[in-house]
Amino acid sequence: DAGVTQSPTHLIKTRGQHVTLRCSPISGHKSVSWYQQVLGQGPQFIFQYYEKEERGRGNFPDRFSARQFPNYSSELNVNALLLGDSALYLCASSLQPQETQYFGPGTRLLVL
Amino acid sequence: GNSVTQMEGPVTLSEEAFLTINCTYTATGYPSLFWYVQYPGEGLQLLLKATKADDKGSNKGFEATYRKETTSFHLEKGSVQVSDSAVYFCALSDWVNDYKLSFGAGTTVTVRA
Repeated sequence: DAGVTQSPTHLIKTRGQHVTLRCSPISGHKSVSWYQQVLGQGPQFIFQYYEKEERGRGNFPDRFSARQFPNYSSELNVNALLLGDSALYLCASSLQPQETQYFGPGTRLLVL
Repeated sequence: GNSVTQMEGPVTLSEEAFLTINCTYTATGYPSLFWYVQYPGEGLQLLLKATKADDKGSNKGFEATYRKETTSFHLEKGSVQVSDSAVYFCALSDWVNDYKLSFGAGTTVTVRA
């Protein structure tokens, strides 16, 4: 069975630009969460979506937004990129929010 | 709020040595506890989990027991291999915080042949 997939795998942007990251959950999983992992640190929660509705938001500025589509895939959008947004962005899916989360390989974003 | 404190690394071991990574937590609810592993250049893989007090999670020779009295979930492996070299993350989630995962800072383990 296919796991969580994310695209692109790597991305280089410049300050002020916008980026869209994509995630496809494991088949049958209806909940998707996004995490930011800065080098040398543990992942930090950004968003959780379940059945196309936002269930939770972490302590991130409004430049970060996300949505979930009818097929349960998800997009994370970041506007007005800052150097500090450089990180590995991880997507995780679960059957429901209270179930175990399984992670994708991540998208590595570098902001110059 | 929820928080996880992990033993600081890096940890360097010889093959077949015993590995322990300490993890303690603070939670407002009754959390589920997890260990995730991250190999170089990859995402996180679930290593093991425990959902209630005194549960023992195990996988690939790794074990951890959910100790409510000491709020701990220490990871152990009796005989490590070079292939166990990775970063290990302790994490928790509970219904109070809508099941978002709260992670520790990670412990880098290097196993030498």
